[in-house]
Amino acid sequence: AQTVTQSQPEMSVQEAETVTLSCTYDTSESDYYLFWYKQPPSRQMILVIRQEAYKQQNATENRFSVNFQKAAKSFSLKISDSQLGDAAMYFCAYRSGWAGNMLTFGGGTRLMVKP
Amino acid sequence: SQTIHQWPATLVQPVGSPLSLECTVEGTSNPNLYWYRQAAGRGLQLLFYSVGIGQISSEVPQNLSASRPQDRQFILSSKKLLLSDSGFYLCAWTPASGSGNEQFFGPGTRLTVL
Repeated sequence: AQTVTQSQPEMSVQEAETVTLSCTYDTSESDYYLFWYKQPPSRQMILVIRQEAYKQQNATENRFSVNFQKAAKSFSLKISDSQLGDAAMYFCAYRSGWAGNMLTFGGGTRLMVKP
Repeated sequence: SQTIHQWPATLVQPVGSPLSLECTVEGTSNPNLYWYRQAAGRGLQLLFYSVGIGQISSEVPQNLSASRPQDRQFILSSKKLLLSDSGFYLCAWTPASGSGNEQFFGPGTRLTVL
């Protein structure tokens, strides 16, 4: 079974600075997908960014980018120019390439943004 | 466009009482549907998923059950709630076809069992 680990329960960043959230996963599969979801205080889960394992290029979405290291099974999220609205829980998630779209989530990292 | 609804938004129930949480999806057909539970300050635990009407797969043993009476309706139930059933319940859907699809989440139901 796949596992996803987020080793940082809490992180803080100064507004306008850059922060990196860590995620590691364990799998024996070669075809899979990785996601970062954001959960603000409203508790609505919002997709931040997605990475296909077969793509070597790191995904980017505006101020959000990932560092995908397939051999190391690492998938970190970098938030640049942090904004107060970025404060939320962030969850890393793994999806097998064939197992019916089910997601395995990490335990989450709470990001605080200081003005 | 597709939307996903959950109700109720909040629920306070006594131990031993029954439970029924409903999730409906609009604007799509034959979605894959999922129920997750999130304990306070924790990650999401997959409870059930469904790939079609009447097809339910359970990921963890518990006193909860799920049903899919219609294509875009997913119901989470319990005959007798336990204190440990308290949490935040999220419903999600993905298109049945295609790969790498993200899951789209509903607004959630906060359940407190007293």
